[in-house]
Amino acid sequence: DGGITQSPKYLFRKEGQNVTLSCEQNLNHDAMYWYRQDPGQGLRLIYYSQIVNDFQKGDIAEGYSVSREKKESFPLTVTSAQKNPTAFYLCASSISSETDTQYFGPGTRLTVL
Amino acid sequence: AQKVTQAQTEISVVEKEDVTLDCVYETRDTTYYLFWYKQPPSGELVFLIRRNSFDEQNEISGRYSWNFQKSTSSFNFTITASQVVDSAVYFCALSEAGSGGSNYKLTFGKGTLLTVNP
Repeated sequence: DGGITQSPKYLFRKEGQNVTLSCEQNLNHDAMYWYRQDPGQGLRLIYYSQIVNDFQKGDIAEGYSVSREKKESFPLTVTSAQKNPTAFYLCASSISSETDTQYFGPGTRLTVL
Repeated sequence: AQKVTQAQTEISVVEKEDVTLDCVYETRDTTYYLFWYKQPPSGELVFLIRRNSFDEQNEISGRYSWNFQKSTSSFNFTITASQVVDSAVYFCALSEAGSGGSNYKLTFGKGTLLTVNP
């Protein structure tokens, strides 16, 4: 089946630790995105990548880092510099970034203890 | 700057009622795209519809219908004969097809929590 997978579904982290969230897609999409969702809020864009080996900051990139070494993969690292990392993280992809429809993965819920 | 407003935070209906979810948007572009997504309790966002700014035709898909009115900058979503399985958070989103590399960005409203009671 074609789709987007995110792992793990739930993640717990101690303060001061970096943690990496996985996002993989087998849709052959060029563009990939990371969003953060807080309770009662819409989604906010963290980073996006239009093509392999290229990525740009979104609206709330501080405290996060990404890489795009392969077309299928776009991992997100939540660093210790992120002051309030507890949230629901959603990965998405689209054929290109040219206003194409974005399709979303199942999400990872990160809790900082 | 683009903005999406979903004024209804929560709506509760009884099964088989019709319900309309409102979405009002702001944009300076003449070319833009509007979307609706459904987020069930599992968390994944499910794509429902994409509309471009040049196509004001209303659309119907089964029990779902969408009313796009540029004159009022609205893109409302109606569920006819609601069912318990329709219970979810629904998000409206806007993407501008402008220049300067900004055409990637989806701006989301804060969502409307729809609860359909049996």
